[in-house]
Amino acid sequence: QVQLQESGPGLVKPSETLSLTCSVSGGSISTSDYYWGWIRQPPGKGLEWIGTIYSGGSTFYNPSLKSRLTISADTSKNQVSIRLTSMTAADTAVYYCARVCSPGHYNWFDPWGQGTLVTVSS
Amino acid sequence: DIQMTQSPSSLSASVGDRVTITCRASQSISRYLSWYQQRPGKAPKLLIYAASTLQSGVPSRFSGSGSGTDFSLTISSLQPEDFATYFCQQSSTIALTFGGGTKVEIK
Repeated sequence: QVQLQESGPGLVKPSETLSLTCSVSGGSISTSDYYWGWIRQPPGKGLEWIGTIYSGGSTFYNPSLKSRLTISADTSKNQVSIRLTSMTAADTAVYYCARVCSPGHYNWFDPWGQGTLVTVSS
Repeated sequence: DIQMTQSPSSLSASVGDRVTITCRASQSISRYLSWYQQRPGKAPKLLIYAASTLQSGVPSRFSGSGSGTDFSLTISSLQPEDFATYFCQQSSTIALTFGGGTKVEIK
């Protein structure tokens, strides 16, 4: 059974860059059967899709974050990472990674990691 | 982007009640819709995909319906563990979007 675990700093200063890693166990991120996504949730608010990395390494990002965002994969470590530059208080959120199930045109997230809270503050 | 609007934003119900949550898309999304349950302090959990297909292991009291722009999630008999927040998510476009959520509280 695949499991995902996010890791990274809990506190980031304004204007700095956030780097988070999602470690995947119980399955290979190299499989063409699934993709890998990131979603975030500001405290007390709804969910926002951040971006998805597809097999082969191609990516698609939320247009609102595209200029600041990089998602990458390290197949040797079975990890997916996110890098978000120029952090502001508006980026404070719980960040989740999730497996993307995508038969045909469908895309849904299952399972999810437990999430990691990132606070942007000086 | 396709906007997803859920209603109501919150509701109060009792154990055993039948509850229906709706999700409306700003344009047709065929059946490219999923539903998630999020308990407090936990990650979301997939309940339904392709508008009406129940994820393995999800109790049969959950059901989904709809196509085009209007969708619904129904809990036929609310159980104590169902008090949570529910989100819909569309995948008609590559830019995925979620609804704002519906919080189901105990009456």
